[in-house]
Amino acid sequence: GAVVSQHPSWVICKSGTSVKIECRSLDFQATTMFWYRQFPKQSLMLMATSNEGSKATYEQGVEKDKFLINHASLTLSTLTVTSAHPEDSSFYICSAPTRTEGDQPQHFGDGTRLSIL
Amino acid sequence: AQSVAQPEDQVNVAEGNPLTVKCTYSVSGNPYLFWYVQYPNRGLQFLLKYITGDNLVKGSYGFEAEFNKSQTSFHLKKPSALVSDSALYFCAVRGLRSSASKIIFGSGTRLSIRP
Repeated sequence: GAVVSQHPSWVICKSGTSVKIECRSLDFQATTMFWYRQFPKQSLMLMATSNEGSKATYEQGVEKDKFLINHASLTLSTLTVTSAHPEDSSFYICSAPTRTEGDQPQHFGDGTRLSIL
Repeated sequence: AQSVAQPEDQVNVAEGNPLTVKCTYSVSGNPYLFWYVQYPNRGLQFLLKYITGDNLVKGSYGFEAEFNKSQTSFHLKKPSALVSDSALYFCAVRGLRSSASKIIFGSGTRLSIRP
């Protein structure tokens, strides 16, 4: 089945560091990918929609300059948390549909747990 | 705007008994509904979807869900629960048919199956 790979799985770093998270579609091309954030025991909050070759679409309240998204190829989207602070600590998950046409479900990566000290 | 409600934070069921995880939705137009399961420190796994057609949808691991338009519900069910079904379950809705459109998740229900 379709696989979405996320890297790294865990990140622990100091406050002020910028952290890059990669999301790859391993056996299909993804012109659209989605980035979510999940706090402990809470639901997934959509942060942004990543579009290959164009700017990402951010949800209301999400800082574009804080969470930089780049979708440079059909198989890779990256989320960079710039100058991370402890309040940015969270579980970040990406997803992608196998096709943009039709009614396919999204396939999710295994998530990245980010801890800012 | 579209929204999803999962009224139960936790559902406890004995192994072998039937289980139901509730979900109601609100969307303008036709709803496209999904159930996902999440295990600890993992992403979400797709269980099943309702797009159109039969109201009873069968999915992975013996799960099924019933779409009820009049009650705007999409409850997840399984006739006989397994301990391994214990996990966090999310209902989700999409207001457009296109896979490229965003989906909104419910708050999640933690399912606990006791031996």
